Amino acid sequence: KQEVTQIPAALSVPEGENLVLNCSFTDSAIYNLQWFRQDPGKGLTSLLLIQSSQREQTSGRLNASLDKSSGRSTLYIAASQPGDSATYLCAVITSGTYKYIFGTGTRLKVLA
Amino acid sequence: DARVTQTPRHKVTEMGQEVTMRCQPILGHNTVFWYRQTMMQGLELLAYFRNRAPLDDSGMPKDRFSAEMPDATLATLKIQPSEPRDSAVYFCASGSLFLSGTEYSNQPQHFGDGTRLSIL
Repeated sequence: KQEVTQIPAALSVPEGENLVLNCSFTDSAIYNLQWFRQDPGKGLTSLLLIQSSQREQTSGRLNASLDKSSGRSTLYIAASQPGDSATYLCAVITSGTYKYIFGTGTRLKVLA
Repeated sequence: DARVTQTPRHKVTEMGQEVTMRCQPILGHNTVFWYRQTMMQGLELLAYFRNRAPLDDSGMPKDRFSAEMPDATLATLKIQPSEPRDSAVYFCASGSLFLSGTEYSNQPQHFGDGTRLSIL
């Protein structure tokens, strides 16, 4: 059974700092991994999707990497801003299941 | 921008009542997902549809929950009878899923803002 873990559960950093969020999964046979952002009282917003054949994806200040063999992904946020404060979730689709399994998220707070 | 629309945004009702939540997926998306989010369990997949056909509802308590997609513009999730433990935020998401033999590809899921359900 696929399990997805995110560490740390919460993180507080000063504005401008570069930071890394971690996601690990137990079954490396995945189709893809997706990073989401959730603001309080809102749904999830897709940030980056990495197919199993890819190693990384970039969008603006965000860079996500995928090491399928070790069951790990990282989300790198450069020059963090208070507007980046949110909960970040990763999710994987295990081969043969066609459904996302989500991690419990990392709650990020960027201090001005 | 195209959006997934969920109604109602909030629902408070008494135990035993029927609850119906509705979702309008993004036009052109062929896959619709229903999730439930709680502090204790996080985000759980309840059911999902592809081209309006149910693919998997194993995450859903079958005795009280039902999910349907009567047409391409509407998905519903019903709880009857409701119980206090059903209190949660229910999200609908839509996306595009393409399957061909062992090949698979999908586009990012788009989520609605959720229905916050409280059962007293």
